[in-house]
Amino acid sequence: NAGVTQTPKFQVLKTGQSMTLQCAQDMNHNSMYWYRQDPGMGLRLIYYSASEGTTDKGEVPNGYNVSRLNKREFSLRLESAAPSQTSVYFCASSEVGVGSTGELFFGEGSRLTVL
Amino acid sequence: LAKTTQPISMDSYEGQEVNITCSHNNIATNDYITWYQQFPSQGPRFIIQGYKTKVTNEVASLFIPADRKSSTLSLPRVSLSDTAVYYCLVLPFSGGYNKLIFGAGTRLAVHP
Repeated sequence: NAGVTQTPKFQVLKTGQSMTLQCAQDMNHNSMYWYRQDPGMGLRLIYYSASEGTTDKGEVPNGYNVSRLNKREFSLRLESAAPSQTSVYFCASSEVGVGSTGELFFGEGSRLTVL
Repeated sequence: LAKTTQPISMDSYEGQEVNITCSHNNIATNDYITWYQQFPSQGPRFIIQGYKTKVTNEVASLFIPADRKSSTLSLPRVSLSDTAVYYCLVLPFSGGYNKLIFGAGTRLAVHP
């Protein structure tokens, strides 16, 4: 099993450009997450999806949109990139509820630089 | 959600036992305590989870006192490869996953 796969791994954008970060998981998890991590900082939750078709804002949702395309895929879109969005983005998935540990499985991250 | 507080950084030497304490004063009755490890340029990785008393696995032990207002992650005989950031989280089984926050974590440096 591949676990959680993120693409691209690296991306450089100019201010105002748009792009979509892709995430897919093969563990049949219901919940998926997008986090960002700035240098020397902890992870901050951008958006969360409890199931296909549902999304909720996290701690820092401004400037981002998400789409839970199906159970496997959860994409993060930057419509008009800003230098403040330079960060490493992590996608994660988990199973939630009775009988599960709620363990989060993370992808390897997508390093985004906005010039 | 219960807010967690843990030391910003710790230093240790190879072969020593390392204990990292996390406080979570307003933990709810049904919440679990979870610890993650993150190496540079990688996503966090689950280490251990517990509800009360002591939990041990092949990597670490987790000690939780009766009042559950704190927890201690214990790493036995650390090596250089244990240098990483360690995050303490309170897992809300009653919901609130959209507010799950990792915090800054504890940066552990293991020296030769």
